[in-house]
Amino acid sequence: DIQMTQSPSSLSASVGDRVTITCRASQSIIIYLNWYQQKPGKPPKLLIYAASSLQTGVASRFSGSGSGTDFTLTISSLQPEDFATYYCQQSYSNYGYIFGQGTKVEIK
Amino acid sequence: QVQLQESGPGLMKPSETLSLTCTVSGGSISGYYWSWIRQSAGKGLEWIGRIYTSGNTRYNPSLKSRVTMSVDTAKNQFSLKLTTVTAADTAVYYCAREVPLTRDNYYYYAMDVWGQGTTVIVSS
Repeated sequence: DIQMTQSPSSLSASVGDRVTITCRASQSIIIYLNWYQQKPGKPPKLLIYAASSLQTGVASRFSGSGSGTDFTLTISSLQPEDFATYYCQQSYSNYGYIFGQGTKVEIK
Repeated sequence: QVQLQESGPGLMKPSETLSLTCTVSGGSISGYYWSWIRQSAGKGLEWIGRIYTSGNTRYNPSLKSRVTMSVDTAKNQFSLKLTTVTAADTAVYYCAREVPLTRDNYYYYAMDVWGQGTTVIVSS
């Protein structure tokens, strides 16, 4: 099974900060990596697909990078509506679309 | 735009079979993959499996022995059955649409539309 490990599990940041979240796969997933944002009581929302492609309608302050086993989600200037939990998800293996354990972004 | 709505029992007893349905509105169910994902309280997301409108399925290996998915194109619905539930199956269950998104002329699958989720509690 491919395992996904996110870091950190939580972080505190201020509005306007640059925030970086890391996701590591246990084996190469090329660029089959998606990022989702989830707010309390809501379903996840797709932000980034194929490691670095911005989903239609998502703010340009979100960006993704990486390939192979190491990936990054960056929020260039954190906005109040960005406080949420972020999940990476590999779509490489048809037998297990594993999600990372999540990174909670909180207000400092 | 396409919307998804889960429906299910809410409260169940251990050893029962969970049956959930996801109704697709605002678009056709045909030609897409449809997934089920669950989330235990305060926990992360667990992919349960997916079904194509042809009926082709893929399940999470950890749940495969208890999971069955089906699709009813006439009703624009797809369903999940999970047998022999325990308290560990207590979670919010989401349905979602998987779409092929393009980058550099290749397709990459992601879940772009989600239902609001339905809470299932397993308790004696």
